[in-house]
Amino acid sequence: GENVEQHPSTLSVQEGDSAVIKCTYSDSASNYFPWYKQELGKGPQLIIDIRSNVGEKKDQRIAVTLNKTAKHFSLHITETQPEDSAVYFCAASNPGSARQLTFGSGTQLTVLP
Amino acid sequence: GAGVSQSPSNKVTEKGKDVELRCDPISGHTALYWYRQSLGQGLEFLIYFQGNSAPDKSGLPSDRFSAERTGGSVSTLTIQRTQQEDSAVYLCASSFGQGNEKLFFGSGTQLSVL
Repeated sequence: GENVEQHPSTLSVQEGDSAVIKCTYSDSASNYFPWYKQELGKGPQLIIDIRSNVGEKKDQRIAVTLNKTAKHFSLHITETQPEDSAVYFCAASNPGSARQLTFGSGTQLTVLP
Repeated sequence: GAGVSQSPSNKVTEKGKDVELRCDPISGHTALYWYRQSLGQGLEFLIYFQGNSAPDKSGLPSDRFSAERTGGSVSTLTIQRTQQEDSAVYLCASSFGQGNEKLFFGSGTQLSVL
């Protein structure tokens, strides 16, 4: 089955700096890669996703890049703000799997004011 | 409702007792998932319902865990004879189903087994 590894497990940055979180996946058939943000006491919320037919996608301060050959994808947050502090999860989806999403172990991002 | 609703938000129980956790998915969503999130850990898949198909129970950790989905809507996750290692946040998510992987999560139920 699919295995998703996520690094780092914790990340602290100064407000205004950029943050990068990286994930690798094992199943070359996976073709959908979402990122979820989980704030304290809440469920994860989808913030951006990418499909395997594109290499990069941007949405304001957030971008995701995908390298299918290397089987890794990354989340980039620019001009970080304190409200970006949360746990971020990457995931991978194989359309042939009824479970659909396999999640990484999460990254606790702290943006220091 | 506007989102996925889970109840209760917190549940404290004694070891050996049974508990029931409830999930109300978004109206119109045919797929429903249960995940478990232990402290500081990722999301562990438990069970998946899609429409009227037989559920994928392959993530349930033991036969003490079971789940039902009545009428294609509300789901109940039942844990029998709870153990301390069952303490975790139980998250429910729903989606429009096959071919649409975008999950909408509830806020979860924090289960504490004393």
